[in-house]
Amino acid sequence: DAKTTQPPSMDCAEGRAANLPCNHSTISGNEYVYWYRQIHSQGPQYIIHGLKNNETNEMASLIITEDRKSSTLILPHATLRDTAVYYCIVRGSARQLTFGSGTQLTVLP
Amino acid sequence: GAVVSQHPSRVICKSGTSVKIECRSLDFQATTMFWYRQFPKQSLMLMATSNEGSKATYEQGVEKDKFLINHASLTLSTLTVTSAHPEDSSFYICSAPKGPYTDTQYFGPGTRLTVL
Repeated sequence: DAKTTQPPSMDCAEGRAANLPCNHSTISGNEYVYWYRQIHSQGPQYIIHGLKNNETNEMASLIITEDRKSSTLILPHATLRDTAVYYCIVRGSARQLTFGSGTQLTVLP
Repeated sequence: GAVVSQHPSRVICKSGTSVKIECRSLDFQATTMFWYRQFPKQSLMLMATSNEGSKATYEQGVEKDKFLINHASLTLSTLTVTSAHPEDSSFYICSAPKGPYTDTQYFGPGTRLTVL
């Protein structure tokens, strides 16, 4: 599975959009981009995933660049409860997930 | 979303004892489940893949005789930490994909193991 690079930490003001970047320059054609988050001392929570097209669900939007070498997770109106570590994972044929170090997002009041 | 539960949520045991952690898929069947371990301020590390009706497959460096995995039914996998030592203290988390044709994983809430 392709390796991902994320900033270690980011801050966001409550009510504003949180844009979390992820670089996956070695991604191959059949690999999906998944996003999970982990609130402190809890199991990870699935957020969204995509292959090439932009995706949106009730939690977030996923924007994947045309060359698929990077993506951005957007939380449109961040709340304090969105404070968590966000993991960007590229997954190929293997079913298991390989977690990197993620981005600690802190939503500030 | 799918629901995965773990029991117990937290356990404290003495060094040398064995501890069993259960992972259940509550509203779906899971032929495959995954076990992860997370040390403080670190990311999740995959320990093993639990397969219903067959032996688990372990990641490199994980002792299969120490971390016994049993996937006896389509909704239950258990991880037994045998002869636990303080260095086994960690956060253990299981996950399962909801069905054979999806790769979206649903995670349990985790089990905090403290070995004294």
